[in-house]
Amino acid sequence: DSGVTQTPKHLITATGQRVTLRCSPRSGDLSVYWYQQSLDQGLQFLIQYYNGEERAKGNILERFSAQQFPDLHSELNLSSLELGDSALYFCASSPVGMPNTGELFFGEGSRLTVL
Amino acid sequence: DQQVKQNSPSLSVQEGRISILNCDYTNSMFDYFLWYKKYPAEGPTFLISISSIKDKNEDGRFTVFLNKSAKHLSLHIVPSQPGDSAVYFCAASARYSGAGSYQLTFGKGTKLSVIP
Repeated sequence: DSGVTQTPKHLITATGQRVTLRCSPRSGDLSVYWYQQSLDQGLQFLIQYYNGEERAKGNILERFSAQQFPDLHSELNLSSLELGDSALYFCASSPVGMPNTGELFFGEGSRLTVL
Repeated sequence: DQQVKQNSPSLSVQEGRISILNCDYTNSMFDYFLWYKKYPAEGPTFLISISSIKDKNEDGRFTVFLNKSAKHLSLHIVPSQPGDSAVYFCAASARYSGAGSYQLTFGKGTKLSVIP
C-alpha cells in the first residue's frame, strides 16, 4: 500500500460526458502528479501540483483540468469525453516538488471506460 | 517523440536465470533514472534508481547499469523468481528543471514472465 488513494477505481461513462477523478496523496506529501496510461502505452505525464500551485504541465488536453485543494487532495476533471480518453489514470505523490530520491509513490489508478 | 524507449514489449526467462531489461533514452538532459515494477490492478512501485554520476547501482537481486555515452540503461535481476513476473517501466527525469517542477518520463514497459 503506497498510501496514495484514488477514487473511483472504475468508471464507465458515455462520450460527451464529464467525470472527476480524485486523489489523496500520502500523508505529508505536498506534490501531486497525474499520469495517463492508454492501451499499450507508457505512463504519460499530465500535470504536477505542489502545495496547491501548478508546477509542471505535460501533454494534458485542454478538455482536461486539475486542481489541488488546501487539504492537498487533487482532482482531475475530464470533459467532453471521447472514446480515446479510455485509459488508466494514475495519481502519484512525493514529499516535495523535486524529490531527492526521484521516487514518486503511485496510487492504484482509476480505470475510465468511455462508451 | 519517445524520449524513453523500451524496445522489448515482453521477455520470458527461466526461474533462477538472469533477466536483463533494456532501456534507451534520447534526452541528454536526463540525469536520474528509475525502474518501476507494476503488477496487474496495482499502481507502479519503485524498484531501483541511479544517478547520472554513477554507472551502477545494486540492491539485492536488482542491479541497474547506466551507459551515458550510449544513452542506455539496463536492469539485471539475478536470480529471477516467479514473483518477479510483472511489467517493468523505465523512467527518467531532468531533476533540475527549476522552480520545484518535476516529472518522470516513462517508457512503454516490458512484461517479464519468469517461468518456474
